Amino acid sequence: GAVVSQHPSRVICKSGTSVKIECRSLDFQATTMFWYRQFPKQSLMLMATSNEGSKATYEQGVEKDKFLINHASLTLSTLTVTSAHPEDSSFYICSASYLDTEAFFGQGTRLTVV
Amino acid sequence: LAKTTQPISMDSYEGQEVNITCSHNNIATNDYITWYQQFPSQGPRFIIQGYKTKVTNEVASLFIPADRKSSTLSLPRVSLSDTAVYYCLVGPPMIKAAGNKLTFGGGTRVLVKP
Repeated sequence: GAVVSQHPSRVICKSGTSVKIECRSLDFQATTMFWYRQFPKQSLMLMATSNEGSKATYEQGVEKDKFLINHASLTLSTLTVTSAHPEDSSFYICSASYLDTEAFFGQGTRLTVV
Repeated sequence: LAKTTQPISMDSYEGQEVNITCSHNNIATNDYITWYQQFPSQGPRFIIQGYKTKVTNEVASLFIPADRKSSTLSLPRVSLSDTAVYYCLVGPPMIKAAGNKLTFGGGTRVLVKP
């Protein structure tokens, strides 16, 4: 099946710094990718829709200036958590799909802000 | 999107059949029912999708009654590795609908014991 890869899988950063997470579709082109956040023991919550070549669409309550999304190519979307704080610590997951397939998810990125 | 209700958790034993029922009373005529599986610290993985009656693949079966207000995911002869969270989603078909964002409910935490 199609593969979506995230990097890094784990990251620890200091409070106030920025962290970039990459989401790549390895064997297909995805005009749309999605970013989710998942806190421990909770479900996935959609943060934003990443559209290739245009601005991302953010869900209500998600700060677009804090979670910067760039979808510069058909195989890469990046999520940058700016000025990260401990409450941003979470599991971030991306997904992508194409043509007649279901959504494929990346393996997730565990962000810990200390 | 139709809201879904699932049991929070279920325990089972190796070799048993596990049935998880999802309620979706407000399902729309065009909605499909899709199930995803998520292991700890991983992204979700598509299991099965259906519209009505019964769908079976190599992993699971999905039973949907005529009124479509509920559905049951059936996992035959589970093993320890089937311990995961299972999510029921209702909405546009996940297949042939690239770019549709997914709304996850609470999911059912299945624990398979030896």
